[in-house]
Amino acid sequence: GNSVTQMEGPVTLSEEAFLTINCTYTATGYPSLFWYVQYPGEGLQLLLKATKADDKGSNKGFEATYRKETTSFHLEKGSVQVSDSAVYFCALFYNQGGKLIFGQGTELSVKP
Amino acid sequence: NAGVTQTPKFQVLKTGQSMTLQCAQDMNHNSMYWYRQDPGMGLRLIYYSASEGTTDKGEVPNGYNVSRLNKREFSLRLESAAPSQTSVYFCASTAGTSGRGETQYFGPGTRLLVL
Repeated sequence: GNSVTQMEGPVTLSEEAFLTINCTYTATGYPSLFWYVQYPGEGLQLLLKATKADDKGSNKGFEATYRKETTSFHLEKGSVQVSDSAVYFCALFYNQGGKLIFGQGTELSVKP
Repeated sequence: NAGVTQTPKFQVLKTGQSMTLQCAQDMNHNSMYWYRQDPGMGLRLIYYSASEGTTDKGEVPNGYNVSRLNKREFSLRLESAAPSQTSVYFCASTAGTSGRGETQYFGPGTRLLVL
């Protein structure tokens, strides 16, 4: 079936460090891929998305490229800030059923 | 625009009690969703409503019922609460007009504790 696997957290980094959060997926067909972010005490909000192979989504300095050959959508940021501390969720959407499937989430903590 | 609103923010129930979680959106969205979030498990879909007048089961529907009251409102009911339903519940909505996966907009969540 369709599924999303993320690297386990928590991930702890110093400010200005490089961030990678790995995400791989299993899906039939051609899903759309998303990264959502959840700040403490809040609901999820969309960070970025890509709807077809080789697309790159970007927002707020974060980037992720839809790699069909490796079934991956890794999240990267060149220089993290304390304000990036949050839980990050990778998700896929497949047309059949019209539903989002989420990974388990990766908690990021950035220290000054 | 308020976006997606949920009430209550926090609730404590005893085993066997019932309650309804309310969700409303003011974005004229067609599709609405209920998720639960548990540690280490991401978000799991309970029920969803692709359009007004329709509802469908998600991944974990047992113990829950839903009502799509109108285009704006989508409620989740626990008829007889159990400790296993202790969780954070999120409502979400999306325009529901594209087949490629649109942005889902989430409410702030309801934290439920069942004793």
